[in-house]
Amino acid sequence: GQQVMQIPQYQHVQEGEDFTTYCNSSTTLSNIQWYKQRPGGHPVFLIQLVKSGEVKKQKRLTFQFGEAKKNSSLHITATQTTDVGTYFCAGKSQAGTALIFGKGTTLSVSS
Amino acid sequence: EPEVTQTPSHQVTQMGQEVILRCVPISNHLYFYWYRQILGQKVEFLVSFYNNEISEKSEIFDDQFSVERPDGSNFTLKIRSTKLEDSAMYFCASSNQGSYQETQYFGPGTRLLVL
Repeated sequence: GQQVMQIPQYQHVQEGEDFTTYCNSSTTLSNIQWYKQRPGGHPVFLIQLVKSGEVKKQKRLTFQFGEAKKNSSLHITATQTTDVGTYFCAGKSQAGTALIFGKGTTLSVSS
Repeated sequence: EPEVTQTPSHQVTQMGQEVILRCVPISNHLYFYWYRQILGQKVEFLVSFYNNEISEKSEIFDDQFSVERPDGSNFTLKIRSTKLEDSAMYFCASSNQGSYQETQYFGPGTRLLVL
């Protein structure tokens, strides 16, 4: 079945450093969505990418969708302690309704 | 801002018992989902539901699981005879489209512990 891989599993950075998490799907996706989950919380929708090669920005966060619509990345510039949490990518196939989540990247930030 | 709500927030049950997890989706949403997350692991799709029937289900969603929309507001997940490995956080989600461009909004989850 469809699989979504995400690396790294954990990342620790000093406040102010940049952070990137990468997501790769075994199949072509109709879209990719990114969620953030704080410890003890639930996944909160961040953004959705639909078009091949699409790049979207939200303040210090930059999201990219690959040309082949099989990979994606999330880059955070100048991390802050409020960025702490687990970032999940979730892909959806052309036919399905299910979101297939990656395992997530847990980001910790020390000040 | 409208939110998905779930009750209870925590549920402890004995193995073999039935549990019902409840969700109130966002009011104008028509597509409903259940996901689960075993502690420390990724979020896994269980089932999607539209127009009073299951649209899609995963391998996890076996005969022990069922979903229902008993009235106009609630959406429930029933586990008929719980197993230890059913211990997880269960998230309900809803959306107002079923298309590939939909955004699914997640509830706060129910933490289920099976002893």
